[in-house]
Amino acid sequence: DVVLTQTPPTLLATIGQSVSISCRSSQSLLHSNGNTYLNWLLQRTGQSPQPLIYLVSKLESGVPNRFSGSGSGTDFTLTIDPVEADDTATYYCQQSWNDPLTFGSGTKLEIK
Amino acid sequence: EVQLVESGGGLVQPGSPLKLSCAASGFTFSSNWLNWIRQAPGKGLEWVASINPDGSSTYYPDTVKGRFVVSKDNAKNTGYLQMNNLRSEDTAMYYCARTGSSDFDYWGQGVMVTVSS
Repeated sequence: DVVLTQTPPTLLATIGQSVSISCRSSQSLLHSNGNTYLNWLLQRTGQSPQPLIYLVSKLESGVPNRFSGSGSGTDFTLTIDPVEADDTATYYCQQSWNDPLTFGSGTKLEIK
Repeated sequence: EVQLVESGGGLVQPGSPLKLSCAASGFTFSSNWLNWIRQAPGKGLEWVASINPDGSSTYYPDTVKGRFVVSKDNAKNTGYLQMNNLRSEDTAMYYCARTGSSDFDYWGQGVMVTVSS
């Protein structure tokens, strides 16, 4: 199984700051078709998860461009710049390069 | 507007079966993969099952393979997760989610399943 390791597990930020979350995969997520199957989701407390970014860097509809994704192969980063109060949530990376589909353990972002 | 609404959760004893439903609206249900993802209390997300648009192919992780069965009725715009031989470790919030622009682009509100004697 592909293991996704997220760091840090928790993150404390101030409004206006830039923050980054790392997601490292145990295997390359680059498919032979040229796509890299790494997505990011967020989950606010008490709510369902919602998608943020797919295929490493493509923003889902309605996601503000304060969010960006980057990386390749096994190392990926979600960046939020600038952070806003509403960004308080747990962020998950997720891969669909191979079955079983797996998620990272999550990064909890708190705003001071 | 895309909507997914789960139902059928509850408290069951270990070894019991339970069937969850996912009622879809706002899109062409027969054109999309349907997925189930669960989240144990205070824990992260775990993929549980996927089914292709016409229901002919299903996929599961080893943790539920042989116990869970995913299906979809495109005429009723409804997906299902039949869970058999439930264990305490299956206790979780269960979400259905559509595959669209990404693997899980729309999610339901979730339904709680508690397995306890």
